[in-house]
Amino acid sequence: GENVEQHPSTLSVQEGDSAVIKCTYSDSASNYFPWYKQELGKGPQLIIDIRSNVGEKKDQRIAVTLNKTAKHFSLHITETQPEDSAVYFCAASNTGFQKLVFGTGTRLLVSP
Amino acid sequence: ETGVTQTPRHLVMGMTNKKSLKCEQHLGHNAMYWYKQSAKKPLELMFVYSLEERVENNSVPSRFSPECPNSSHLFLHLHTLQPEDSALYLCASSQTVGGLQPQHFGDGTRLSIL
Repeated sequence: GENVEQHPSTLSVQEGDSAVIKCTYSDSASNYFPWYKQELGKGPQLIIDIRSNVGEKKDQRIAVTLNKTAKHFSLHITETQPEDSAVYFCAASNTGFQKLVFGTGTRLLVSP
Repeated sequence: ETGVTQTPRHLVMGMTNKKSLKCEQHLGHNAMYWYKQSAKKPLELMFVYSLEERVENNSVPSRFSPECPNSSHLFLHLHTLQPEDSALYLCASSQTVGGLQPQHFGDGTRLSIL
């Protein structure tokens, strides 16, 4: 079955810096890769997703890149703000049955 | 009103109690999910329902019993739980189970087993 690894487990940056979180997946059939943000006391919230027919997607300060050959994808947050502090999860699934497999999460701390 | 609502938000119960977790989605979705979230572990998929029919049971112990009376409501009935069952239980929904549809999560029920 699919296995998703996520790094780093914790990431501390200064406000205004960029943050990058990386994930690798094992199943070459995976073709959908969402990213979730989970704030304290809340459930995971979808922030961006990418499908395997594109290599990059951007939404304001957030971007995701996908390298199908290497089977890895990354979340990029630019101009970080304290409100970006949260736990971020990557996930992967394929078309046949949408069973999302999640990474173990990255705790991002943005210091003012 | 949030898209996926879970109640209660917090639950403390003894190992011999019977309780139920409730999930309601207001998004018009046809698929609903239960996940278990434990510290330092990936989210674990427990059950999947599509149009009120269970399509996935991810080797979950029988002390967890799901129920989906309609496509908007999902329950998780709990009985004779163990201390290791203490976790955050998350409900999610998506338009369908097939295809590349995002899942939308509720804020979870924090369950503590005494």
